[in-house]
Amino acid sequence: DVKVTQSSRYLVKRTGEKVFLECVQDMDHENMFWYRQDPGLGLRLIYFSYDVKMKEKGDIPEGYSVSREKKERFSLILESASTNQTSMYLCASFDGTGNEKLFFGSGTQLSVL
Amino acid sequence: GDSVTQMEGPVTLSEEAFLTINCTYTATGYPSLFWYVQYPGEGLQLLLKATKADDKGSNKGFEATYRKETTSFHLEKGSVQVSDSAVYFCALSHVLNNNNDMRFGAGTRLTVKP
Repeated sequence: DVKVTQSSRYLVKRTGEKVFLECVQDMDHENMFWYRQDPGLGLRLIYFSYDVKMKEKGDIPEGYSVSREKKERFSLILESASTNQTSMYLCASFDGTGNEKLFFGSGTQLSVL
Repeated sequence: GDSVTQMEGPVTLSEEAFLTINCTYTATGYPSLFWYVQYPGEGLQLLLKATKADDKGSNKGFEATYRKETTSFHLEKGSVQVSDSAVYFCALSHVLNNNNDMRFGAGTRLTVKP
């Protein structure tokens, strides 16, 4: 069974802290994505990656960075967490074989106090 | 730019009721259309999709038809169950890309009561 695993289900951090959200997929997908999910706004793309060490900005990259050192792992970094980054963060990987199907992790609910 | 608009929730229905969740889109060209579902405590998973006009996607009793003339992709189910309680997201993508252009609607929470 395909799996996208996010390291934490719930996370509480303080303003100004550096936060790492980890995501691992076991499907050998080249494409990985980070979204945030907020009520009334749906999912918004933060960053995505087509390959190892490659990254592209999505729609709302400000305040975030990413790292893709290995194909299976895509990390989202909040350099200095702020309260407006309190959100549900979803990682996804893409089956690029023609199925156009995103596989999602179960999400990390981050609260910044 | 491309966008998806879906009906606001929450939607509360009794078991065996008929479900419609409206979804309309704005896009250039001919996108693929999707419905994703998020069950409590889980990530999103693909429910159904349609890749061209007049296609009907179906899965688990849910259906949606790609209507180019009305730019719509409404989700329907004839008889909902308590286990269908979830948040439903309509989405579109121009397939030949790497899905970085996937656009999601705001989501509609469905609660089905016994």
